[in-house]
Amino acid sequence: AQKITQTQPGMFVQEKEAVTLDCTYDTSDPSYGLFWYKQPSSGEMIFLIYQGSYDQQNATEGRYSLNFQKARKSANLVISASQLGDSAMYFCAMRENAGNNRKLIWGLGTSLAVNP
Amino acid sequence: NAGVTQTPKFRVLKTGQSMTLLCAQDMNHEYMYWYRQDPGMGLRLIHYSVGEGTTAKGEVPDGYNVSRLKKQNFLLGLESAAPSQTSVYFCASSYSGLAGEFSLGEQFFGPGTRLTVL
Repeated sequence: AQKITQTQPGMFVQEKEAVTLDCTYDTSDPSYGLFWYKQPSSGEMIFLIYQGSYDQQNATEGRYSLNFQKARKSANLVISASQLGDSAMYFCAMRENAGNNRKLIWGLGTSLAVNP
Repeated sequence: NAGVTQTPKFRVLKTGQSMTLLCAQDMNHEYMYWYRQDPGMGLRLIHYSVGEGTTAKGEVPDGYNVSRLKKQNFLLGLESAAPSQTSVYFCASSYSGLAGEFSLGEQFFGPGTRLTVL
């Protein structure tokens, strides 16, 4: 069964340092997509970055990059040069491309605190 | 573009009361979703819709009903509210992509509705 695991309930990082948030997934579908969302304390869900299972290169979006290791079924989010505004919950999600509903399977999230 | 909007933002109900949460999107998305978020539980899918006039059950559908009479609106109903339905409810929508067109299909979220059932 498809599953997303985020093993770090909470993480701390010093401002301006890089941090890696872990995400492992389980699926039997060869075609899938992986998403990361940010949820600040204000509550909104913000889409950050996407990685497709057939993408040859790791996805990058500004200070966000995805360390995609397909054989290990991991899709870790790397935030470079952390800022105070990066303090938030971060959710990893997966979509299996089989089927026609675009449903996402969600991890339980990692709470990131950036210290000044 | 307003994106995805939800009405109301906050609501307090008594056990047994009913209410409807309204979700509206102006992005012409085919797919719409209702989630609930509880502490330590992440996001759980309640119901979803792949197009106007269609709905389907998600992971935790019991106690909820939905309707998608118009493409831009997705309504979530609680017929007889229970304290276990105290939660933050999120609506989301996504684009299906035209035939042959690649689409990330990322979900766009509304701001959420905080519901308390006493």
